Amino acid sequence: ELKVEQNPLFLSMQEGKNYTIYCNYSTTSDRLYWYRQDPGKSLESLFVLLSNGAVKQEGRLMASLDTKARLSTLHITAAVHDLSATYFCAVDFAGNQFYFGTGTSLTVIP
Amino acid sequence: GAVVSQHPSRVICKSGTSVKIECRSLDFQATTMFWYRQFPKQSLMLMATSNEGSKATYEQGVEKDKFLINHASLTLSTLTVTSAHPEDSSFYICSVLRGGNTQYFGPGTRLTVL
Repeated sequence: ELKVEQNPLFLSMQEGKNYTIYCNYSTTSDRLYWYRQDPGKSLESLFVLLSNGAVKQEGRLMASLDTKARLSTLHITAAVHDLSATYFCAVDFAGNQFYFGTGTSLTVIP
Repeated sequence: GAVVSQHPSRVICKSGTSVKIECRSLDFQATTMFWYRQFPKQSLMLMATSNEGSKATYEQGVEKDKFLINHASLTLSTLTVTSAHPEDSSFYICSVLRGGNTQYFGPGTRLTVL
């Protein structure tokens, strides 16, 4: 069964703190994507990870992929309020068919 | 990236009626588009893959007779929810595939069935 699980599902963190969101998936894939979704809006692409060991950084966010462990992480550094959103990972299992993770709802509090 | 539009952005309809949602790729020709459904506070679920000029491929558990998909041109795919019921109320999002491995998402359509 194809599964993509994220944890935590909900995350409340203080501004300035660091935290990591985890994305585990059940079947071999070397394509993983991270998206951000604001309430009532569609998805904004954050990162595309296409190989084992891939690491990408944009601002306060950094994503990595370990295909052997079937694990991706999204690390948040020195969080700010603007990062409050829901973050999804998505895995391409079958050639451009995305299976989304459960989502992590992030709230950054002052 | 790719520019994707959806129309309408919101629709309210009565139970038993049909609703058509359009997804347009505005800046390039898309042979493959995808349709997703998202219930409140839940993740996105892939409904079907829409291929230009051929029948859509539906995910397990998605009724093809209820969710009609037509990909008549390289810039337009439509999703028609037939005989809609309140349980079909959801956020419907399309995406286009570009560059072989990247999907660009439309702004979504919020369907409310009364």
